[in-house]
Amino acid sequence: AQTVTQSQPEMSVQEAETVTLSCTYDTSESNYYLFWYKQPPSRQMILVIRQEAYKQQNATENRFSVNFQKAAKSFSLKISDSQLGDTAMYFCAPSGGSNYKLTFGKGTLLTVNP
Amino acid sequence: GAVVSQHPSWVICKSGTSVKIECRSLDFQATTMFWYRQFPKQSLMLMATSNEGSKATYEQGVEKDKFLINHASLTLSTLTVTSAHPEDSSFYICSASGFTDTQYFGPGTRLTVL
Repeated sequence: AQTVTQSQPEMSVQEAETVTLSCTYDTSESNYYLFWYKQPPSRQMILVIRQEAYKQQNATENRFSVNFQKAAKSFSLKISDSQLGDTAMYFCAPSGGSNYKLTFGKGTLLTVNP
Repeated sequence: GAVVSQHPSWVICKSGTSVKIECRSLDFQATTMFWYRQFPKQSLMLMATSNEGSKATYEQGVEKDKFLINHASLTLSTLTVTSAHPEDSSFYICSASGFTDTQYFGPGTRLTVL
């Protein structure tokens, strides 16, 4: 079983600034992956970044990076140079099991202000 | 790559009728497909997981006779809401994965039952 906690229901940031979204999780899986997805107002779920739990190196995708602390079961997302298009609900989700089922947190609503 | 489509994007039906929602992977073979339900301002709730050619596995509390899932090919899964009632009104999202741990999501279907 997996559980996810996103402790920040809402956050806001000024355009061009940096923001960090927090996520902690618990899992009984020995082999798992971690994801951040975003859901803009269109409601289309978009993959932001993926982390392999067996890798110590933090994943990066352009302006998005993670701080993965496996022992602490922490998986935060850093967005650099925030843009208006980053405004969205962000979901943290570990996956595991035979079908790599995702368990979603409650989400953090990020608003980027001009 | 990794594009998933859903049809229809919005459907309105009368109480007691059945509604079918299609989910297609357009540029990859989807060995596993997932169906989620999302209420306003809430996270995604997994309803069921299906592997191509096999019966779907439903999450606890999801009525398998009401939400019929078929995954007959590597590119198509369908969700049929049988005898729909107003409480079935929701946003339904499918996702697909193909021989990997990563799920790609469709744009969602808004179901309104009158």
